[in-house]
Amino acid sequence: QVQLVQSGAEVKKPGSSVTVSCKASGGSFSSYAFSWVRQAPGQGLEWLGGIIPIFATIRYAQKFQGRVTIAADESTSTAYMELSGLRSDDTAVYYCARGWYYYDDRGHNPQHSDYWGQGTLVTVSS
Amino acid sequence: EIVLTQSPGTLSLSPGERATLSCRASQSVSGSYLAWYQQKPGQAPRLLIYGASSRATGIPDRFSGSGSGTDFTLTISRLEPEDFAVYYCQQYGRSPPITFGQGTRLEIK
Repeated sequence: QVQLVQSGAEVKKPGSSVTVSCKASGGSFSSYAFSWVRQAPGQGLEWLGGIIPIFATIRYAQKFQGRVTIAADESTSTAYMELSGLRSDDTAVYYCARGWYYYDDRGHNPQHSDYWGQGTLVTVSS
Repeated sequence: EIVLTQSPGTLSLSPGERATLSCRASQSVSGSYLAWYQQKPGQAPRLLIYGASSRATGIPDRFSGSGSGTDFTLTISRLEPEDFAVYYCQQYGRSPPITFGQGTRLEIK
């Protein structure tokens, strides 16, 4: 069955960067979209961006443009999310999620996600 | 960016009752590209509904979604004890960005 296994919890200093990995197993890797979603303590869900490996398409939320980098390594079926310039309000659980994509006049775009990783807690503290 | 507003913020009901959760979008959601997720404490979200009304694999038929344009509804026909959780709507029709509503907490009365 499909599994997404994320890297472990991180504690980072303000201004530093963090990279979270997400290894997929079961099913094709390249043919799906992988989104990154975060959840601050006691708060709702926030989408950072997504990648569709088969088309080498990457989409970012404007709020995080310039601070987030999403990549995928098809040889290891692993997606990555790097967030730089960390602040205390970046403290959150970061999820990767596998889902589908659609095509419109802007190209290919991620849509809903039916498999999620277990989440990675990133704590930003001095 | 499409803003999704969910109501009510908290819904208190008893097992066996019917739950109706609302999600209103600030602009029309193209293609009815709207999904609903359930999240329990300490767990990742679980996809319930996509395309506004299609149930995801393995989701019981007591969960149903409806709506189009700017107004969408998730209905749980008869609440089971395991249904008490937080529910989020998500739009992906004009992404980026994909956006989520702020959530509705469904609690036991």
